[in-house]
Amino acid sequence: DAGITQSPRHKVTETGTPVTLRCHQTENHRYMYWYRQDPGHGLRLIHYSYGVKDTDKGEVSDGYSVSRSKTEDFLLTLESATSSQTSVYFCAISDIGIGTTGYEQYFGPGTRLTVT
Amino acid sequence: QKEVEQNSGPLSVPEGAIASLNCTYSDRGSQSFFWYRQYSGKSPELIMFIYSNGDKEDGRFTAQLNKASQYVSLLIRDSQPSDSATYLCAVNSDRNAGNMLTFGGGTRLMVKP
Repeated sequence: DAGITQSPRHKVTETGTPVTLRCHQTENHRYMYWYRQDPGHGLRLIHYSYGVKDTDKGEVSDGYSVSRSKTEDFLLTLESATSSQTSVYFCAISDIGIGTTGYEQYFGPGTRLTVT
Repeated sequence: QKEVEQNSGPLSVPEGAIASLNCTYSDRGSQSFFWYRQYSGKSPELIMFIYSNGDKEDGRFTAQLNKASQYVSLLIRDSQPSDSATYLCAVNSDRNAGNMLTFGGGTRLMVKP
């Protein structure tokens, strides 16, 4: 499982509340990613990080922010959750030094978020 | 047009048959191609990658790449019910600093006993 954990694994929250999801890795990998997965849309990149305090937007970043203050943790925050953010959220890691191509991504177990 | 296209399925094959999963991509600069398997309720799991034209075999799995046609496929020989899952195709993108992959929507495979 490449030493990736996500917390919480399940969360139900109300519209308008802030929510923070955590991704933790134990292998000091450089790149970390947050995806959401919805029926009919596949995996869509929200934000990614290429180092401590180095982050950038992905395909569907509106309504989300991220922070990476140390190598092992990548936090995804929904500032004011909406029902459209109900989804399964996956964290992934990659690094030049792992795998053969350097592009391989390995996924955490996911967080199922429901916004009511 | 999506950057990575897959038929959503479901693709239904009998146990013991060959399952053929296909993927097309639009970025001619893509260099590395990945197949992930995702069981229902679980996270995607990397099963194969390929970066040279031709075939690459790993056990019952064979990945095929044709860069001229912008086409990559995954063959599963002697399909088992345990192979029933959604298969995601992913392609690397060199256009930014993020070491990123672009994923297709996935093909759902059903192997019937």
